[in-house]
Amino acid sequence: NAGVTQTPKFRILKIGQSMTLQCTQDMNHNYMYWYRQDPGMGLKLIYYSVGAGITDKGEVPNGYNVSRSTTEDFPLRLELAAPSQTSVYFCASSRLRTAPNYGYTFGSGTRLTVV
Amino acid sequence: GEDVEQSLFLSVREGDSSVINCTYTDSSSTYLYWYKQEPGAGLQLLTYIFSNMDMKQDQRLTVLLNKKDKHLSLRIADTQTGDSAIYFCAEGGKTGTASKLTFGTGTRLQVTL
Repeated sequence: NAGVTQTPKFRILKIGQSMTLQCTQDMNHNYMYWYRQDPGMGLKLIYYSVGAGITDKGEVPNGYNVSRSTTEDFPLRLELAAPSQTSVYFCASSRLRTAPNYGYTFGSGTRLTVV
Repeated sequence: GEDVEQSLFLSVREGDSSVINCTYTDSSSTYLYWYKQEPGAGLQLLTYIFSNMDMKQDQRLTVLLNKKDKHLSLRIADTQTGDSAIYFCAEGGKTGTASKLTFGTGTRLQVTL
């Protein structure tokens, strides 16, 4: 049982390059989320999705794009990478209705450095 | 808007109790959570409490909720070196919305021998 799988685990990008962070889950969760984690700042929500074909902006969406063509996959696209996007990115998923004993299932993260 | 605050660092000796505190601003949250993040890993759900409860105990973990002061705490009894991690509190679960959680800044717990 894989849960939430993120790839790659590490990446170094040059300013202006683009990349896609992959996220897939095998729990048939409807809700999926992308967070970024900066030191001392906690987790900030970038985008989220309530189901295939539906996405919405979170707190810090600028510079990112997402798509949700299937229930399983929720890739995050960075266009024109900037140093401010250096961070650790986490993908998470949850059930349709908030079930507190399940909470969110998180991936292990992607550490991105933009130089 | 929603805001969740925690102190950044706590150091305790092995065997002592740890108390990690959290304050939040949104009184309409249905659930409050504690997550644990070990080095190089994602967050894992530790425990949660419904907003109509004031205490929950789960083995070495005790969660206290003061709804009037919007204060949440996590007590870890007999703290072990394996408890060293970052602990995040989170609030959410409001009806009629996506299950978005708002996370605190995280408290790094260091357990010394």
